[in-house]
Amino acid sequence: EAGVAQSPRYKIIEKRQSVAFWCNPISGHATLYWYQQILGQGPKLLIQFQNNGVVDDSQLPKDRFSAERLKGVDSTLKIQPAKLEDSAVYLCASSLGGGPREQYFGPGTRLTVT
Amino acid sequence: QQQVKQSPQSLIVQKGGISIINCAYENTAFDYFPWYQQFPGKGPALLIAIRPDVSEKKEGRFTISFNKSAKQFSLHIMDSQPGDSATYFCAASMRVGNEKLTFGTGTRLTIIP
Repeated sequence: EAGVAQSPRYKIIEKRQSVAFWCNPISGHATLYWYQQILGQGPKLLIQFQNNGVVDDSQLPKDRFSAERLKGVDSTLKIQPAKLEDSAVYLCASSLGGGPREQYFGPGTRLTVT
Repeated sequence: QQQVKQSPQSLIVQKGGISIINCAYENTAFDYFPWYQQFPGKGPALLIAIRPDVSEKKEGRFTISFNKSAKQFSLHIMDSQPGDSATYFCAASMRVGNEKLTFGTGTRLTIIP
C-alpha cells in the first residue's frame, strides 16, 4: 500500500512570495489533514477535510492560507503572502474516517521563508 | 483546555533501560490517546494508542499506562534500543467525526550504548 505522498519536499522562498504544497492521500482514505510543525514543537492542525468538505479550519490563518481538496482525493495548501513565521514543516495526513482513528502521515514539506 | 502537556523535553537512556515519557491533558472530552514516533526527515508514525476504558495497553516493548482520574498517560519503552532514538509525541483526540489530533510538544529520546 502506497503511503501519503507530498511534494515538494523542500521549498525556500522570500517573504511576501506565494507557495503551494501538494498532497496525495492513501487510496480510499476519506479524511485528509494538513498540519504545521514548527521546529521543536508538535504538529498543529491547520485544516481537516472529509471527502470534499471542510470539517475543521479553525486554526487556519485564512487571511494568507487556503486549501482545497478537489474530487475528494488530492489536496493543495497555499500560502500567499508568506511571512517569516511560516517557516515550518507542512505535514499531510490521511485516515479512513468514520471510525478507525489512525492517521498516516506523509514525509512533509520543509518551508523556509527568508 | 485543548492542550496536551508532555515531559520531559529530552531524555537520554542507556541501552537496555526503560524509557518513560509522560503526558497530561485537561479536556475530558478526549477519548483516544495515541503515541507517535518521528525520525528526522520523516512524518510521525503511529506507535501505540489507548482508549480511556482500559488502564494499560502493551504491544511488544511499548506500553501505555493510563490514569483517567489524574488525566495522565505515559509511554514506557522496555529494553530500549539505539533504534528507538527518535522524537516521541503524545496526542489526544475526541469523538469520531472530529478526529483532529492535539499533539504534545515532543520528547527527543536518545539511547546510548
